[in-house]
Amino acid sequence: DAGVIQSPRHEVTEMGQEVTLRCKPISGHNSLFWYRQTMMRGLELLIYFNNNVPIDDSGMPEDRFSAKMPNASFSTLKIQPSEPRDSAVYFCASSSNQWSSGNTIYFGEGSWLTVV
Amino acid sequence: GENVEQHPSTLSVQEGDSAVIKCTYSDSASNYFPWYKQELGKRPQLIIDIRSNVGEKKDQRIAVTLNKTAKHFSLHITETQPEDSAVYFCAANSGYSTLTFGKGTMLLVSP
Repeated sequence: DAGVIQSPRHEVTEMGQEVTLRCKPISGHNSLFWYRQTMMRGLELLIYFNNNVPIDDSGMPEDRFSAKMPNASFSTLKIQPSEPRDSAVYFCASSSNQWSSGNTIYFGEGSWLTVV
Repeated sequence: GENVEQHPSTLSVQEGDSAVIKCTYSDSASNYFPWYKQELGKRPQLIIDIRSNVGEKKDQRIAVTLNKTAKHFSLHITETQPEDSAVYFCAANSGYSTLTFGKGTMLLVSP
């Protein structure tokens, strides 16, 4: 399995622009997570989908952030408009709900976002 | 929700020494406790995990212990090597599938 695949790996954009981050979870996994990592706040859960349905979006910072999962193999995280404080590494992760594989969450390589 | 505290934030050891990282959690319903290692510029990767039905688990040089009564768990690395240098995160499950992470411990192993 190729693992969780994210794109783009790196993005530099100007303040006010729209940013779209993409994620393909591991095939067969039915939970998908978007995390944001910064030095100050560590790994923060932004949103969690189960079977393509958003279950918990309490971590989404504000209305500028939105996430979708139109099917089991694709999710997007969108920031519009972007601000410099959104600069961070955004990780997509997936897991299986099967007890035998536990709640093990597998991370993608991350999307490094810089907003100038 | 779950709250995970991790200590220390940084840890420096000499090669060959042992390293111990400690975490506490708040939700008594949590029953799955993984540890992730993140090298510079890379993704967090699972190195070991423990479930609430066991008190200790070992895998070569790393071990994890769990005290459910006190709600704390620890990572132990023996005979540390320079390649163990990384940021280590503990986590506890929140609800059915999500994980809440500690703030991380930067481990530096000096040759």
